[in-house]
Amino acid sequence: QQQVKQSPQSLIVQKGGISIINCAYENTAFDYFPWYQQFPGKGPALLIAIRPDVSEKKEGRFTISFNKSAKQFSLHIMDSQPGDSATYFCAASGANSKLTFGKGITLSVRP
Amino acid sequence: NAGVMQNPRHLVRRRGQEARLRCSPMKGHSHVYWYRQLPEEGLKFMVYLQKENIIDESGMPKERFSAEFPKEGPSILRIQQVVRGDSAAYFCASSGQGSGTEAFFGQGTRLTVV
Repeated sequence: QQQVKQSPQSLIVQKGGISIINCAYENTAFDYFPWYQQFPGKGPALLIAIRPDVSEKKEGRFTISFNKSAKQFSLHIMDSQPGDSATYFCAASGANSKLTFGKGITLSVRP
Repeated sequence: NAGVMQNPRHLVRRRGQEARLRCSPMKGHSHVYWYRQLPEEGLKFMVYLQKENIIDESGMPKERFSAEFPKEGPSILRIQQVVRGDSAAYFCASSGQGSGTEAFFGQGTRLTVV
């Protein structure tokens, strides 16, 4: 039973393009939705997070769009750069505070 | 303000030995979480601790694994009698409060069982 599902599994984008990663969740008790970025051999780094009382949040080149009725949220990376090449994880948590992660997606940004 | 510190970064153990993984949370954080990451997989929750208390250990294997977060010192994840299947990256995260707050991860300990 996978409570948080990411798509696509991998993504290749040209430099300057928009990277879009989608996430769907099942548990309606989730109320906190972060995205993490992980480089090889490193720990996950918090990128941006959203709560269900807003439909969109933007920080620099990163935007989260949230659709509560569809139980989906997505990460948009504008003006993608080669340095953005990494693995991206969506996650969700509820009152119990433990994070449930998606399996991750590998993003490659071509120069 | 130092981030979450984990040590060692790499740990090699023979089958049957004990592995001890340490985690010092960010300054001011009293909530610690341990996660395990297998190759090509996402992170799986193991245990959630506050100082001297285990809050949620629903992700911990029933045998050989234990965790503590003493009043003084780092949190410890202990794996007794390690087996090859325990080989993974183990990450610790900390937060200032519990539910729905930002959790910051350490660099992880990569355990290899030979």
